[in-house]
Amino acid sequence: GQSLEQPSEVTAVEGAIVQINCTYQTSGFYGLSWYQQHDGGAPTFLSYNALDGLEETGRFSSFLSRSDSYGYLLLQELQMKDSASYFCAVRSPGNTPLVFGKGTRLSVIA
Amino acid sequence: KAGVTQTPRYLIKTRGQQVTLSCSPISGHRSVSWYQQTPGQGLQFLFEYFSETQRNKGNFPGRFSGRQFSNSRSEMNVSTLELGDSALYLCASSFGQGSGTDTQYFGPGTRLTVL
Repeated sequence: GQSLEQPSEVTAVEGAIVQINCTYQTSGFYGLSWYQQHDGGAPTFLSYNALDGLEETGRFSSFLSRSDSYGYLLLQELQMKDSASYFCAVRSPGNTPLVFGKGTRLSVIA
Repeated sequence: KAGVTQTPRYLIKTRGQQVTLSCSPISGHRSVSWYQQTPGQGLQFLFEYFSETQRNKGNFPGRFSGRQFSNSRSEMNVSTLELGDSALYLCASSFGQGSGTDTQYFGPGTRLTVL
């Protein structure tokens, strides 16, 4: 099975950079996904890393290192609207379900 | 293209009752997954349906069941409700090819409160 660990809470200042880590234990998986969920809202897809390395999408970047069983989401130029929960997720081969970590609640303060 | 819709949005039930939640996926999506979300527990996988067949099932008791119809719409049922079933129930749809790029699109959820 899969197990993903994330910090439960992170606080950062507006305009700063924050990194949300995700470590995992899984026998094999396609890639690492990240989802964002605002309070009262639905999770929405942010990014997907199929290969090791950094993927950049605007202010958000995501990184994967399969050899270290580790990935992270990097948010730059933080804005108050980035306050949300962020979930990492993996799917193993064989029509298996997408498994989520317990999420990291990011609070952006002025 | 319309997003994933879930009905009802809010529900209050008492212990022992049963409840049915509904999910309409994005047009063209054949897979529907259900998740239970409670504070501090993240998104716990309930089950996934693909082309009317249950493809995967999470670690939940048999009181939780579901089905999918030929138009890909899905329902989940919880019987003999317990206080611990109070949660946000999220439905997500995808094309269902089961690969890493099979992005899930979530509905707004149904907030179930059991008294």
